[in-house]
Amino acid sequence: YVLTQPPSVSVAPGQTATITCAGNNIGSKSVHWYQQKAGQAPVLVVYIDTDRPSGIPERFSGSNSGKTATLTISRVEVGDEADYYCQVWESSSDEGVFGGGTKLTVL
Amino acid sequence: QVQLQESGPGLVKPSETLSLTCSVSGDSIRSGGHYWSWIRQHPGKGVQWIGYIFYTGTTSYNSALKSRVVISVHTSKNQFSLKLNSVTAADTAIYYCARTSTVTTPLFDYWGQGILVTVSS
Repeated sequence: YVLTQPPSVSVAPGQTATITCAGNNIGSKSVHWYQQKAGQAPVLVVYIDTDRPSGIPERFSGSNSGKTATLTISRVEVGDEADYYCQVWESSSDEGVFGGGTKLTVL
Repeated sequence: QVQLQESGPGLVKPSETLSLTCSVSGDSIRSGGHYWSWIRQHPGKGVQWIGYIFYTGTTSYNSALKSRVVISVHTSKNQFSLKLNSVTAADTAIYYCARTSTVTTPLFDYWGQGILVTVSS
């Protein structure tokens, strides 16, 4: 199962960043999103398409429908600059699958 | 607070076996509440799931690595380990261990800091 993300997204501070994750019938799967800042381990920011772990700002939101899942970051801050990865579970083979990652640059 | 810590050699020779251990604190592997995974990241590249283990010893592996990987659990020490044999330079990566929640479909809610393993003679 292949998840496709754009390699990079750029946005100005205060604007909205949209990061997509495309996969065959991804709308039928639960999608999780991770943020990885430079030199650090990934951190879960959205799970089961739309939910946020405690401590994650409401500015982070997600959606999933059809062939594309989306992570939206509202009112982007310089501190949001990071790589973002989507992840699903391929139940037929019982394997975790990550997207290739998207580098968010805050201009 | 759940914490995971990877340990093991940072340098492995080609054709040899990479061996890493993950020590868990703040949660009990034996409680059976979660799976426990290994994940790696090639330098400057994306993230790849390697496999998971349950406290019973049940495992699942990435099909691309399955022939070379063994994950084991040591409940008395609250640790689990990774062995990857016949390594090449392509196995040079940061290796992470992660707690795997199965509330719905598996996700990785706590990660270790990662350990860089270089394959080189």
